[in-house]
Amino acid sequence: DTGVSQNPRHKITKRGQNVTFRCDPISEHNRLYWYRQTLGQGPEFLTYFQNEAQLEKSRLLSDRFSAERPKGSFSTLEIQRTEQGDSAMYLCASSIRQGETAFFGQGTRLTVV
Amino acid sequence: DQQVKQNSPSLSVQEGRISILNCDYTNSMFDYFLWYKKYPAEGPTFLISISSIKDKNEDGRFTVFLNKSAKHLSLHIVPSQPGDSAVYFCAASGGSNYKLTFGKGTLLTVNP
Repeated sequence: DTGVSQNPRHKITKRGQNVTFRCDPISEHNRLYWYRQTLGQGPEFLTYFQNEAQLEKSRLLSDRFSAERPKGSFSTLEIQRTEQGDSAMYLCASSIRQGETAFFGQGTRLTVV
Repeated sequence: DQQVKQNSPSLSVQEGRISILNCDYTNSMFDYFLWYKKYPAEGPTFLISISSIKDKNEDGRFTVFLNKSAKHLSLHIVPSQPGDSAVYFCAASGGSNYKLTFGKGTLLTVNP
């Protein structure tokens, strides 16, 4: 399967703990995006990478959130000191160039208890 | 301020009939529109897209229509099948803005 891969699929954590998610984009795609989806809403943009450069961060991404994409390959999204409001589906997508279709991974469902 | 709106939270149709899902947008800078299908606990799956230079794009049972003057697009599914039952999201991007802006989705139920 050469699609976008996300790990883990599910994560349950206690409030205050740190969590890290991983995304492996489609291999030839140099653009990578993180989105967050909560119940009853569409996905909301969090951040965007072109190769290894993080070009934009949404104001939804508080200081507790950090994303990296070393060497322009896989990406990680870390949430520090998790809060119950962080519970959501975190989605990663990649595209080959601007204006081209973004393909999504299966997401990581985070539950903060 | 919701720039992409899907005003129907749900739609129910009979198998074999046409499903029409609607989407309105407010941002004139949007020039690329997509429809995604999503099952519970899965990521969105790309269905079909349309550029603002076109008014129609067809792929098998799926056709997307774009009315730029009305800032409206629609997805037609003909014939509808029970496997089409899912949440459908309309998304848009435009200009130098590469990120997608999504609507809240429409739950389509196709009854056998």
